[in-house]
Amino acid sequence: ETGVTQSPTHLIKTRGQQVTLRCSSQSGHNTVSWYQQALGQGPQFIFQYYREEENGRGNFPPRFSGLQFPNYSSELNVNALELDDSALYLCASREGGQETQYFGPGTRLLVL
Amino acid sequence: ELKVEQNPLFLSMQEGKNYTIYCNYSTTSDRLYWYRQDPGKSLESLFVLLSNGAVKQEGRLMASLDTKARLSTLHITAAVHDLSATYFCAVVISGSARQLTFGSGTQLTVLP
Repeated sequence: ETGVTQSPTHLIKTRGQQVTLRCSSQSGHNTVSWYQQALGQGPQFIFQYYREEENGRGNFPPRFSGLQFPNYSSELNVNALELDDSALYLCASREGGQETQYFGPGTRLLVL
Repeated sequence: ELKVEQNPLFLSMQEGKNYTIYCNYSTTSDRLYWYRQDPGKSLESLFVLLSNGAVKQEGRLMASLDTKARLSTLHITAAVHDLSATYFCAVVISGSARQLTFGSGTQLTVLP
């Protein structure tokens, strides 16, 4: 167990809808990152938050947005869903200054 | 753009045999991570390699890093069935906020 939880575990949406995925990190983990993992591929970095500010972003469009809250929880929001957004979404957290990132179990999103 | 290549992508091996997974990356990095992923599950951290020449071992797995060659290896000794999983290496671009760029993964199957 990594102490990182995500909800929901599975989600089905239709194209054009909006979705919010949630992540709860361990206490003290002030850095959280979100990754998208398509089937059969390695995870791709979406963005990272440190102390509630975005401090890194991968090659994802602005319809992917996030929030981090003071209680070590965070959200990933995706607007105008597309079929290619179907994937496993992983959040990962770490304590500032530490190297190891701990991944949550993921949310599997299917867009129809 | 940082590229991370793993080979082989698929590996089927007999129990008791040894094998090595290779991870090459295209730009300067001083941090390399190895993760394990079981089917339908999240990522489990195996090793964090932080300097040239770093070697870490845990059970039947040993990882090493050569930053000059931009190469990391994951060596499996006397494989057992429980090691069957997909293994990912991930690299951090020097100076970045530790955002991970993953390889495509090596799907390992250990046969009895």
